[in-house]
Amino acid sequence: AQSVSQHNHHVILSEAASLELGCNYSYGGTVNLFWYVQYPGQHLQLLLKYFSGDPLVKGIKGFEAEFIKSKFSFNLRKPSVQWSDTAEYFCAAPGGGGSNYKLTFGKGTLLTVNP
Amino acid sequence: DVKVTQSSRYLVKRTGEKVFLECVQDMDHENMFWYRQDPGLGLRLIYFSYDVKMKEKGDIPEGYSVSREKKERFSLILESASTNQTSMYLCASSFDSYEQYFGPGTRLTVT
Repeated sequence: AQSVSQHNHHVILSEAASLELGCNYSYGGTVNLFWYVQYPGQHLQLLLKYFSGDPLVKGIKGFEAEFIKSKFSFNLRKPSVQWSDTAEYFCAAPGGGGSNYKLTFGKGTLLTVNP
Repeated sequence: DVKVTQSSRYLVKRTGEKVFLECVQDMDHENMFWYRQDPGLGLRLIYFSYDVKMKEKGDIPEGYSVSREKKERFSLILESASTNQTSMYLCASSFDSYEQYFGPGTRLTVT
């Protein structure tokens, strides 16, 4: 079965600081990887996704993620965060084992950006 | 734009009540999912359905059942609500890939 680990439970940054959120997955069969974001009071929405090709993926609002197959990692980055990036971020990977498109989610990282 | 709607944003029920949470998607998606979201635990899959009348258990199905009579609608049923089922419930749908689209969630409180 798939497991997804997010290394940071809560990250606190000041505006303009750089961000990197770690994500590791355990099952490498089908590599479709996702980062979702949940802004306060809003529903979960897709931030970016990797299906194949260039391992550096660009998403919305200046976010990017790098897929490193040898490390089973898909870390999320942003060079300069804004107060509006305050949200909870979830990494997700396929459930594994012929899963009918199930995803396994990490436990989430709460990002607080102070103005 | 894909739209996934859930019947209630907030719900308060008493212990022992039967609770129905409804989810509707408007994009003819094959797959639908129910999760619960709890602080520090992320999203945990309760049940999913890959076709009408088809369902599979997720990671935490105990105390829940589901119904999918029409392609666009997926219902989560708490047979006898308990306080440990107080949570945020999220519905999602997907087509032929792993990308899932989420509804706004239902915050259920069981007292």
